[in-house]
Amino acid sequence: AQSVTQLDSQVPVFEEAPVELRCNYSSSVSVYLFWYVQYPNQGLQLLLKYLSGSTLVKGINGFEAEFNKSQTSFHLRKPSVHISDTAEYFCAVSDPDRGSTLGRLYFGRGTQLTVWP
Amino acid sequence: EAQVTQNPRYLITVTGKKLTVTCSQNMNHEYMSWYRQDPGLGLRQIYYSMNVEVTDKGDVPEGYKVSRKEKRNFPLILESPSPNQTSLYFCASGAGLAGPTNHYEQYFGPGTRLTVT
Repeated sequence: AQSVTQLDSQVPVFEEAPVELRCNYSSSVSVYLFWYVQYPNQGLQLLLKYLSGSTLVKGINGFEAEFNKSQTSFHLRKPSVHISDTAEYFCAVSDPDRGSTLGRLYFGRGTQLTVWP
Repeated sequence: EAQVTQNPRYLITVTGKKLTVTCSQNMNHEYMSWYRQDPGLGLRQIYYSMNVEVTDKGDVPEGYKVSRKEKRNFPLILESPSPNQTSLYFCASGAGLAGPTNHYEQYFGPGTRLTVT
């Protein structure tokens, strides 16, 4: 089974500052990678995904992430955050080569991003 | 509107009283799954279903049952709830094997907050 590590449980930043949320996963030949966002008292919403192709993936709300196979990482970045970006962010991994567990998502423990004015 | 619905959204119950949390999706997805979210632990998969009449255990299946008699519905059953099942529960669905890329883009319901006293 995959394991996903989100290195920071809490990330406080000031408005308009850049932010990076880190995600590492256990190695595999091929993986699909996702970032989900959970706003307070809401369900999870897909922010962006990497399935194949360009390693730099752009998502909604100005977020982007870079897949680094050699470092087994998929860090999420935004050049300038807003107060409305305050939310919990989850990194998730799916292993497409494992037939019996096809479609399973393995989640990290989440990173709470808090944006201060 | 494409969506995953869960009912109830909030539930307070007592130890040992059987309960069912319903989940329904209107996207004709083959894959459905239940997760529980606990502070500091992220999302952990309880059960998943690859298609009608096909279910399998996730990482934390103890104390839960599921059934998949119809494609759109995937209820979660707690036969004898205990306080350690107090949690936030999410149902999710994905396109399944018929959708090679959408399969891994899972859509989440709004969540059910369960308290067992």
